[in-house]
Amino acid sequence: AQTVTQSQPEMSVQEAETVTLSCTYDTSESDYYLFWYKQPPSRQMILVIRQEAYKQQNATENRFSVNFQKAAKSFSLKISDSQLGDAAMYFCAYRSGYNTDKLIFGTGTRLQVFP
Amino acid sequence: DSGVTQTPKHLITATGQRVTLRCSPRSGDLSVYWYQQSLDQGLQFLIQYYNGEERAKGNILERFSAQQFPDLHSELNLSSLELGDSALYFCASETGDIGSGNTIYFGEGSWLTVV
Repeated sequence: AQTVTQSQPEMSVQEAETVTLSCTYDTSESDYYLFWYKQPPSRQMILVIRQEAYKQQNATENRFSVNFQKAAKSFSLKISDSQLGDAAMYFCAYRSGYNTDKLIFGTGTRLQVFP
Repeated sequence: DSGVTQTPKHLITATGQRVTLRCSPRSGDLSVYWYQQSLDQGLQFLIQYYNGEERAKGNILERFSAQQFPDLHSELNLSSLELGDSALYFCASETGDIGSGNTIYFGEGSWLTVV
């Protein structure tokens, strides 16, 4: 069974600085997808970024980018130029590429942003 | 706005009661997922429906049931409620194409408090 591990329960960053959130996963599959979701205080789950495992190029969405290391099964999220609105829980998630399987979530990292 | 609509947003009910949570997926999405988010167990996959048929089942209690109707909206029924059922219940949807790794979009959730 696949598992997702987020080893940092909490992180903090100064406004305008850069922070990296860690995620590792375990799978025997070769085709899969990885996601980062943001959950602000409103509790809505918002997609931040998506990565296909077969793509070597790291996904980027504006100030958000990932460092995808397939061999190491690592999928970290880098937030550049952090803003107060980035404060939220961030969840890493795995999805199989072989079926319409569910998302498997990590336990989340709470990010605090200080002015 | 993800396009996934959930009602009610908040619900308070007594132990032993039964409630129904409703979800309308994004236009064109055939697949609906239900997740439970509680403080001590994180995000747990409950069940998935695709075009009216159950496709996958997760950690869903026997007291809980779900269905997807011909118009593709879905309902999650929770019965014989216990204090431990208090949680945020998310509905999510996506197209349902097998192996596509499409992004799963979440609704705003239904807060259930059992007293």
